[in-house]
Amino acid sequence: GAVVSQHPSWVICKSGTSVKIECRSLDFQATTMFWYRQFPKQSLMLMATSNEGSKATYEQGVEKDKFLINHASLTLSTLTVTSAHPEDSSFYICSARAQRLSYEQYFGPGTRLTVT
Amino acid sequence: EDQVTQSPEALRLQEGESSSLNCSYTVSGLRGLFWYRQDPGKGPEFLFTLYSAGEEKEKERLKATLTKKESFLHITAPKPEDSATYLCAVQAWDSNYQLIWGAGTKLIIKP
Repeated sequence: GAVVSQHPSWVICKSGTSVKIECRSLDFQATTMFWYRQFPKQSLMLMATSNEGSKATYEQGVEKDKFLINHASLTLSTLTVTSAHPEDSSFYICSARAQRLSYEQYFGPGTRLTVT
Repeated sequence: EDQVTQSPEALRLQEGESSSLNCSYTVSGLRGLFWYRQDPGKGPEFLFTLYSAGEEKEKERLKATLTKKESFLHITAPKPEDSATYLCAVQAWDSNYQLIWGAGTKLIIKP
């Protein structure tokens, strides 16, 4: 149990275009979902926290108009990188928490974004 | 300020050589301490949650322990497939279930 999927696993896009990443909890309902960014050889950096049906809470320094997060249902959250630039290239990982599974976060496999 | 420090940064062991990884933490009120394993290019894999000092949990060759200031991840007779980065994180009672992460320990097990 507690499986989280992400799609796509990798994506290459041109500068100025937008990219959407999906995060799904496959076998549980996710009351809270999180989006992280990870640079090479560094730990996870939390970008935003979202609860189903409400607006995401962004961490300081994360542009909410650039990284659009939608948590439309208890099993799906999306991250849209708008007007992507090469500096947005990174490894994006989502995680999900379910009430019945206590306080743990379960992570997706990640999405490698490369902006050319 | 809530903080997590992991040591060492990297650890190279021979197959079968047991050792421990350390996670020191300061947090206003600990809800839980979490251990994850991360392989290159993948998302973290959940290993353990510890809630109170004195608690211990085991899974195969791994055993996690917790005190009021630190946690240890003991690895017994490791195998090459145990090679990964091990991440420690804490969650405070006054947080929105957010995790505060350590920088990780990169473990390499040589055959």
